Amino acid sequence: AIQLTQSPSSLSASVGDRVTLTCRASQGIDSDLAWYQQKPGKAPSLLLSDASSLASGVPSRFSGSGSGTDFTLTISSLQPEDFATYYCQHFSIYDLTFGGGTKVEIK
Amino acid sequence: QVQLVESGGGLVKPGGSLTVSCAASGFTFSDYYMHWIRQAPGKGLEWVAYISSSGKTAFYADSVKGRFTLSRDNAKNSLSLQMNSLRDGDTATYYCARDEGSYTFDFWGQGILVAVSS
Repeated sequence: AIQLTQSPSSLSASVGDRVTLTCRASQGIDSDLAWYQQKPGKAPSLLLSDASSLASGVPSRFSGSGSGTDFTLTISSLQPEDFATYYCQHFSIYDLTFGGGTKVEIK
Repeated sequence: QVQLVESGGGLVKPGGSLTVSCAASGFTFSDYYMHWIRQAPGKGLEWVAYISSSGKTAFYADSVKGRFTLSRDNAKNSLSLQMNSLRDGDTATYYCARDEGSYTFDFWGQGILVAVSS
């Protein structure tokens, strides 16, 4: 099974900062990657699919890039409501795997 | 609006059984694959199982294969996950989620806690 490694596991940032999160796959997965945001006590919500396609209603400050094994999620200007844990997910018909998550905390 | 509401969670002893359900509304349930994803306390997300829109095909994570059975009733817009031979490691919040169309999850329920403990 494909393994997804997210880095860093946590980071501290300030409102207005540009933040980049990384997800690395153990083998090439084309662009079959999604990103989710989870706030404490809440269900995750979909941010991006196909590595870079913004989900409906997601602010444009979120963007994704990458293909193959290396992917990034960028928040161009961190807002107070963006402090959360972010997960990447590989999807295929027989393999649905999440990364370990990156927690974005307030500096 | 799309709503997914889980029910049936609770405390069960190791080796026991439990069925969690998900009631769907606000969309044509029979058009969508559906999934269960779980999250152990303080841990990350783990995909558990999915079922095709017709209910004819289900696929499971290795960690639950042979112990969990996923089914759906399209007439009642409901999803059920029967969990047998439960272990301590199955303790988690269980989420049902709708498949966006490519094995990603665009709507999630609020989650239901299943605790396995003696």
